[in-house]
Order: sequence, then structure tokens, then C-alpha cells
Amino acid sequence: AIQMTQSPSSLSASVGDRVTITCRASQGIRNDLGWYQQKPGKAPKLLIYAASSLQSGVPSRFSGSGSGTDFTLTINTLQPEDFATYYCLQDYNYPHTFGQGTRLEIK
Amino acid sequence: EAQLLDSGGGLVQPGGSLRLSCAASGVTLRNYAMSWVRQAPGKGLEWVSEINAGGDRTYYADSVKGRFTISRDNSKNTLYLQMNSLRAEDTAVYYCARGVVVVAATSYGMDVWGQGTTVTVSS
Repeated sequence: AIQMTQSPSSLSASVGDRVTITCRASQGIRNDLGWYQQKPGKAPKLLIYAASSLQSGVPSRFSGSGSGTDFTLTINTLQPEDFATYYCLQDYNYPHTFGQGTRLEIK
Repeated sequence: EAQLLDSGGGLVQPGGSLRLSCAASGVTLRNYAMSWVRQAPGKGLEWVSEINAGGDRTYYADSVKGRFTISRDNSKNTLYLQMNSLRAEDTAVYYCARGVVVVAATSYGMDVWGQGTTVTVSS
């Protein structure tokens, strides 16, 4: 199975900051990667698909980049509602695999 | 608005069985692959299984292969997960999700999620 290594595992930031989360695949996955946001007690929410395409309804401060093995989620101008846990998911092959998550906390 | 409603969770003894359901409203499931994802208490997300739109191709995580069976009834617009030989480590919130949607070799992710149903395996 493809391993997805996500970093950092946790991150403290302030409202208005720009933050970057990375995900590295153990082998090339083209651009078959999505980013998901999860808040406590809630279902995950799709933010980015195909590595860099913004899901409908998601604010434009979220962006994704990368291809092959290295991927990045960037959040510009953090808003209070962005403090959550973020996961990458490779859907290049089966079994699909998630990164271990990045918890974004308020500084 | 597309909505998924997970149900069927509960407390079950080790070695027991449970069947989860995921009913859709506002969307016709027959056109989409469907998945189950779980989250153990205090842990990250784990992909569990996926079934294609036609129901003739299924995929599983190694941790559940041979014990869980994903299926769908497109006439009832419902997805299922039959879980047998349950273990303590299967304790988790189980989410159904629409997708992964793939069109013309582009993966569109899992875009609609149920609210989750809790499975507890304990004696």
C-alpha cells in the first residue's frame, strides 16, 4: 500500500497567518490526491481534489499544489473557522490511504 | 441537496456481526462509486472500502479484507457494509461517502459524506 506522510502533525497559527501542510507519497500518484478538513465530531469535508482543484463552495484562500510524490495545501489569511484537522488522501490506487492528519490550532 | 444518512451502528461483542446502511436523498447513488471510511476514537481517518457504480467491483483495506463486505442496492438508493468477525480494533465512527468520483481519468474525491455511525466492539 502507498504510504502518505503528512507534516507537520500539528501546527499553531494565528488568524490572518498563511500556513502550509505537506503530504508525501511513498511512490508516484500523478495528481490523484485530495485534501479534507475535519472539525471535532463532524464528518470530513472535501476541500481540494486532483491535487489543485478547488471543490465548489470552498473559499479561495485554500489552494493545493503538487504532482507525483509531493503535495502541498496552503491556507492564506487564516480565518477562525479554519482551525481544524486536515488530511490528504491518495486515490491513485487501492487501497486508498490517508495521511495521518495535521491539527491546526490557534496560537 | 445531496445527503447521506448512516445508520446501523451499535455495541457488539468481539466476533459478532453488524450491518451498516447509508441511505441517500437528493442524489441517485447508482451513478457513483461509494465508500466507507472510519475513524477510531482519537485517531485519524482510515479508508475501509469502495464499490463501483455498477456494484460489480469492490475494494478493501487489508485490515478488513475477508471480514467486511460492501454492497449496494441501487433500487433502494442505499449502500451497505456487512461487518463480520468484529474485533476491538474495529471500534470507530464509520462514515459513508460518495466517491471517489473519477471522470475521464480525473479523480474528483469524496464530495458528500454521511454524519457517521458509531460501532463499538466490546464484551
